[in-house]
Amino acid sequence: AQTVTQSQPEMSVQEAETVTLSCTYDTSESDYYLFWYKQPPSRQMILVIRQEAYKQQNATENRFSVNFQKAAKSFSLKISDSQLGDAAMYFCAFFGNEKLTFGTGTRLTIIP
Amino acid sequence: DAGITQSPRHKVTETGTPVTLRCHQTENHRYMYWYRQDPGHGLRLIHYSYGVKDTDKGEVSDGYSVSRSKTEDFLLTLESATSSQTSVYFCAIRETGGSYNEQFFGPGTRLTVL
Repeated sequence: AQTVTQSQPEMSVQEAETVTLSCTYDTSESDYYLFWYKQPPSRQMILVIRQEAYKQQNATENRFSVNFQKAAKSFSLKISDSQLGDAAMYFCAFFGNEKLTFGTGTRLTIIP
Repeated sequence: DAGITQSPRHKVTETGTPVTLRCHQTENHRYMYWYRQDPGHGLRLIHYSYGVKDTDKGEVSDGYSVSRSKTEDFLLTLESATSSQTSVYFCAIRETGGSYNEQFFGPGTRLTVL
Protein backbone atom coordinates (compact mmCIF):
# COMPACT_ATOMS: atom_id res chain seq x y z
CA ALA A 1 0.00 0.00 0.00
CA GLN A 2 1.10 3.52 -0.73
CA THR A 3 1.61 6.11 1.98
CA VAL A 4 2.01 9.85 1.62
CA THR A 5 3.51 11.99 4.36
CA GLN A 6 3.27 15.75 4.72
CA SER A 7 5.33 16.62 7.77
CA GLN A 8 4.36 20.30 7.98
CA PRO A 9 0.80 20.71 9.31
CA GLU A 10 1.07 24.50 9.00
CA MET A 11 3.27 26.93 7.13
CA SER A 12 3.25 30.68 6.73
CA VAL A 13 4.93 32.99 4.25
CA GLN A 14 5.14 36.69 3.66
CA GLU A 15 3.28 37.94 0.61
CA ALA A 16 5.55 37.99 -2.50
CA GLU A 17 8.01 35.58 -0.90
CA THR A 18 8.68 31.94 -1.79
CA VAL A 19 7.60 28.92 0.23
CA THR A 20 8.23 25.20 -0.15
CA LEU A 21 5.84 22.52 1.05
CA SER A 22 7.27 19.06 1.69
CA CYS A 23 5.90 15.68 0.68
CA THR A 24 7.37 12.20 0.83
CA TYR A 25 5.80 8.95 -0.26
CA ASP A 26 6.41 5.27 -0.06
CA THR A 27 5.64 2.79 -2.81
CA SER A 28 6.99 -0.29 -4.51
CA GLU A 29 5.54 0.71 -7.87
CA SER A 30 7.67 2.12 -10.65
CA ASP A 31 4.92 3.75 -12.72
CA TYR A 32 2.85 6.33 -10.91
CA TYR A 33 1.74 9.94 -10.85
CA LEU A 34 2.03 12.63 -8.23
CA PHE A 35 -0.19 15.63 -7.66
CA TRP A 36 -0.61 18.69 -5.52
CA TYR A 37 -4.16 19.83 -4.78
CA LYS A 38 -5.23 23.08 -3.19
CA GLN A 39 -8.31 23.37 -0.99
CA PRO A 40 -9.36 26.96 -0.18
CA PRO A 41 -12.02 27.77 2.43
CA SER A 42 -14.67 27.12 -0.24
CA ARG A 43 -13.79 23.43 0.20
CA GLN A 44 -13.35 22.85 -3.55
CA MET A 45 -10.41 20.59 -4.41
CA ILE A 46 -8.32 22.27 -7.10
CA LEU A 47 -5.54 20.54 -9.01
CA VAL A 48 -2.39 22.65 -8.84
CA ILE A 49 0.31 20.61 -10.53
CA ARG A 50 1.06 17.06 -11.66
CA GLN A 51 4.13 14.94 -12.31
CA GLU A 52 4.65 11.62 -14.05
CA ALA A 53 7.16 9.40 -12.28
CA TYR A 54 9.03 8.48 -15.45
CA LYS A 55 9.68 12.13 -16.33
CA GLN A 56 12.84 13.46 -14.76
CA GLN A 57 12.01 17.05 -15.60
CA ASN A 58 10.27 18.88 -12.79
CA ALA A 59 6.79 20.14 -13.59
CA THR A 60 6.05 23.86 -13.58
CA GLU A 61 2.75 25.74 -13.72
CA ASN A 62 3.22 29.50 -13.60
CA ARG A 63 4.29 30.34 -10.00
CA PHE A 64 4.08 26.71 -8.90
CA SER A 65 6.87 24.22 -9.41
CA VAL A 66 7.89 20.89 -7.96
CA ASN A 67 11.14 19.30 -6.91
CA PHE A 68 10.69 15.63 -7.74
CA GLN A 69 13.38 13.34 -6.36
CA LYS A 70 12.36 9.83 -7.37
CA ALA A 71 15.12 7.96 -5.57
CA ALA A 72 14.39 9.82 -2.36
CA LYS A 73 10.61 9.50 -2.94
CA SER A 74 10.21 13.20 -2.39
CA PHE A 75 7.82 15.59 -4.14
CA SER A 76 7.93 19.13 -2.76
CA LEU A 77 5.91 22.10 -4.01
CA LYS A 78 7.44 25.54 -4.39
CA ILE A 79 5.20 28.58 -4.59
CA SER A 80 6.95 31.71 -5.85
CA ASP A 81 5.73 35.28 -5.39
CA SER A 82 3.11 34.16 -2.87
CA GLN A 83 -0.26 35.87 -3.13
CA LEU A 84 -3.12 36.23 -0.69
CA GLY A 85 -5.18 33.91 -2.87
CA ASP A 86 -2.68 31.11 -2.28
CA ALA A 87 -3.89 30.74 1.31
CA ALA A 88 -5.38 27.24 1.54
CA MET A 89 -4.83 23.65 2.57
CA TYR A 90 -2.44 21.90 0.22
CA PHE A 91 -2.58 18.15 -0.27
CA CYS A 92 0.05 15.96 -1.85
CA ALA A 93 -1.37 12.88 -3.59
CA PHE A 94 0.01 9.69 -5.13
CA PHE A 95 -1.76 7.81 -7.92
CA GLY A 96 -0.99 4.16 -8.51
CA ASN A 97 -2.93 0.93 -8.95
CA GLU A 98 -6.11 2.84 -9.88
CA LYS A 99 -6.19 4.71 -6.56
CA LEU A 100 -5.28 8.14 -5.29
CA THR A 101 -3.72 8.35 -1.82
CA PHE A 102 -3.55 11.69 -0.05
CA GLY A 103 -1.31 13.15 2.59
CA THR A 104 -2.82 14.86 5.62
CA GLY A 105 -2.29 18.33 4.23
CA THR A 106 -0.40 21.53 4.99
CA ARG A 107 -2.28 24.69 5.88
CA LEU A 108 -0.61 27.66 4.21
CA THR A 109 -1.12 31.15 5.60
CA ILE A 110 -0.07 34.24 3.63
CA ILE A 111 1.05 37.19 5.73
CA PRO A 112 0.25 40.55 4.09
CA ASP B 1 -14.93 22.39 -14.61
CA ALA B 2 -15.35 18.63 -15.08
CA GLY B 3 -19.15 18.80 -14.83
CA ILE B 4 -19.47 17.06 -11.47
CA THR B 5 -22.36 17.78 -9.16
CA GLN B 6 -23.18 16.30 -5.78
CA SER B 7 -26.50 16.19 -3.99
CA PRO B 8 -27.41 17.06 -1.39
CA ARG B 9 -24.73 19.60 -0.51
CA HIS B 10 -25.62 19.52 3.16
CA LYS B 11 -27.50 16.96 5.20
CA VAL B 12 -28.26 16.44 8.87
CA THR B 13 -29.62 13.06 9.86
CA GLU B 14 -30.03 10.88 12.90
CA THR B 15 -28.14 7.77 13.92
CA GLY B 16 -29.59 4.63 12.40
CA THR B 17 -31.24 6.23 9.38
CA PRO B 18 -30.27 5.37 5.81
CA VAL B 19 -28.61 8.06 3.73
CA THR B 20 -27.84 8.19 0.01
CA LEU B 21 -25.50 10.69 -1.58
CA ARG B 22 -25.52 11.21 -5.31
CA CYS B 23 -22.71 12.10 -7.65
CA HIS B 24 -23.55 13.11 -11.22
CA GLN B 25 -21.15 13.74 -14.08
CA THR B 26 -21.86 15.05 -17.55
CA GLU B 27 -18.74 13.97 -19.46
CA ASN B 28 -19.03 10.17 -19.64
CA HIS B 29 -15.93 9.36 -17.59
CA ARG B 30 -15.46 5.69 -16.82
CA TYR B 31 -13.90 6.05 -13.36
CA MET B 32 -15.70 7.60 -10.41
CA TYR B 33 -14.66 7.75 -6.77
CA TRP B 34 -16.07 8.51 -3.34
CA TYR B 35 -13.84 9.96 -0.61
CA ARG B 36 -14.40 11.22 2.89
CA GLN B 37 -12.47 14.08 4.46
CA ASP B 38 -11.87 14.33 8.18
CA PRO B 39 -9.55 16.60 10.15
CA GLY B 40 -6.08 15.13 10.40
CA HIS B 41 -6.71 12.48 7.74
CA GLY B 42 -6.81 14.24 4.41
CA LEU B 43 -9.06 12.49 1.90
CA ARG B 44 -9.58 8.76 2.17
CA LEU B 45 -11.03 6.50 -0.49
CA ILE B 46 -14.32 4.78 0.34
CA HIS B 47 -15.29 3.06 -2.92
CA TYR B 48 -14.68 3.54 -6.59
CA SER B 49 -16.22 2.45 -9.86
CA TYR B 50 -14.55 1.54 -13.14
CA GLY B 51 -17.73 1.15 -15.15
CA VAL B 52 -21.46 0.53 -14.93
CA LYS B 53 -22.05 -2.06 -12.23
CA ASP B 54 -18.27 -2.39 -11.65
CA THR B 55 -17.16 -1.22 -8.23
CA ASP B 56 -14.40 -1.90 -5.72
CA LYS B 57 -13.58 -1.04 -2.12
CA GLY B 58 -11.22 1.59 -0.84
CA GLU B 59 -9.46 1.86 2.50
CA VAL B 60 -12.49 2.97 4.56
CA SER B 61 -15.39 1.03 2.98
CA ASP B 62 -16.96 -0.45 6.13
CA GLY B 63 -20.49 0.84 6.62
CA TYR B 64 -20.82 2.09 3.04
CA SER B 65 -22.17 0.64 -0.17
CA VAL B 66 -22.21 2.04 -3.70
CA SER B 67 -24.09 1.54 -6.90
CA ARG B 68 -23.63 2.62 -10.48
CA SER B 69 -26.47 1.74 -12.82
CA LYS B 70 -25.69 4.52 -15.31
CA THR B 71 -22.37 5.97 -16.43
CA GLU B 72 -23.28 9.42 -15.18
CA ASP B 73 -24.43 8.55 -11.65
CA PHE B 74 -22.52 7.05 -8.73
CA LEU B 75 -24.45 6.62 -5.49
CA LEU B 76 -23.01 6.26 -2.00
CA THR B 77 -25.28 4.72 0.63
CA LEU B 78 -24.93 4.61 4.37
CA GLU B 79 -27.32 1.80 5.29
CA SER B 80 -27.53 2.86 8.94
CA ALA B 81 -25.71 6.10 9.63
CA THR B 82 -23.47 6.42 12.68
CA SER B 83 -21.91 9.48 14.28
CA SER B 84 -18.48 8.32 13.08
CA GLN B 85 -19.73 8.88 9.52
CA THR B 86 -20.09 12.60 10.11
CA SER B 87 -17.74 13.96 7.49
CA VAL B 88 -17.39 15.82 4.24
CA TYR B 89 -17.86 13.52 1.26
CA PHE B 90 -16.29 14.16 -2.10
CA CYS B 91 -16.98 12.55 -5.42
CA ALA B 92 -14.35 12.55 -8.14
CA ILE B 93 -13.92 11.46 -11.73
CA ARG B 94 -10.70 10.36 -13.35
CA GLU B 95 -9.67 11.32 -16.81
CA THR B 96 -7.97 8.54 -18.74
CA GLY B 97 -6.65 7.97 -22.21
CA GLY B 98 -3.25 9.57 -22.52
CA SER B 99 -3.60 12.02 -19.67
CA TYR B 100 -1.96 12.15 -16.30
CA ASN B 101 -4.84 10.26 -14.71
CA GLU B 102 -5.91 13.41 -12.93
CA GLN B 103 -8.91 13.28 -10.70
CA PHE B 104 -11.34 16.17 -10.59
CA PHE B 105 -13.60 16.68 -7.66
CA GLY B 106 -17.18 17.68 -7.02
CA PRO B 107 -18.02 20.42 -4.53
CA GLY B 108 -18.49 18.06 -1.58
CA THR B 109 -21.37 17.11 0.72
CA ARG B 110 -21.26 17.91 4.40
CA LEU B 111 -23.03 15.15 6.33
CA THR B 112 -23.80 15.42 10.02
CA VAL B 113 -25.08 12.37 11.88
CA LEU B 114 -26.61 13.24 15.26
